[in-house]
Amino acid sequence: DTAVSQTPKYLVTQMGNDKSIKCEQNLGHDTMYWYKQDSKKFLKIMFSYNNKELIINETVPNRFSPKSPDKAHLNLHINSLELGDSAVYFCASSQGGSGGPPDTQYFGPGTRLTVL
Amino acid sequence: AQSVTQPDIHITVSEGASLELRCNYSYGATPYLFWYVQSPGQGLQLLLKYFSGDTLVQGIKGFEAEFKRSQSSFNLRKPSVHWSDAAEYFCAPSFSGGYNKLIFGAGTRLAVHP
Repeated sequence: DTAVSQTPKYLVTQMGNDKSIKCEQNLGHDTMYWYKQDSKKFLKIMFSYNNKELIINETVPNRFSPKSPDKAHLNLHINSLELGDSAVYFCASSQGGSGGPPDTQYFGPGTRLTVL
Repeated sequence: AQSVTQPDIHITVSEGASLELRCNYSYGATPYLFWYVQSPGQGLQLLLKYFSGDTLVQGIKGFEAEFKRSQSSFNLRKPSVHWSDAAEYFCAPSFSGGYNKLIFGAGTRLAVHP
């Protein structure tokens, strides 16, 4: 069973389009995250949700909107895609999310987004 | 300011040789410290972590790391590298401790020669 899964694995689209990436975890975790990894492998957190509540919201263009329908799912919707949005997007989850030492984050396989 | 540095962008070692990957952080206190590995085309996997206590921590795949407060470092080591260890390695402190926010270093790409 895949612990953290993402769909699609690859996404190729034109500039200006709107697209979504889905993430699901079957670990029973309370917290989920979205990270962006650029072409130089630099990995940066974008958002985090704990029990469907947004707890981390980094400086990300408001074209990016996360949505958590339940604590097992965290989707990422991107409006008006730009060339600079091309990257690999990783979803992750962890047991806790607030207070105490941080819990291990478990990562999905990534979604490679290419904007043409 | 909170930051993390992995000084070595790319390291090449021969199979069977020892390995040390460097990680330094800048923070007013001791952060929680993690090392993750990313194999080509894969997601990230936790190798090991340090929160407190014994400064030498053991991880998976024969890796270990040593926390040195005086040097603000958390270097990753392996006594004998295998070809399958070729991957990208990320040091990731968590400074806030409150929201599991990891700050990833730039990564070190490890190549292993047969």
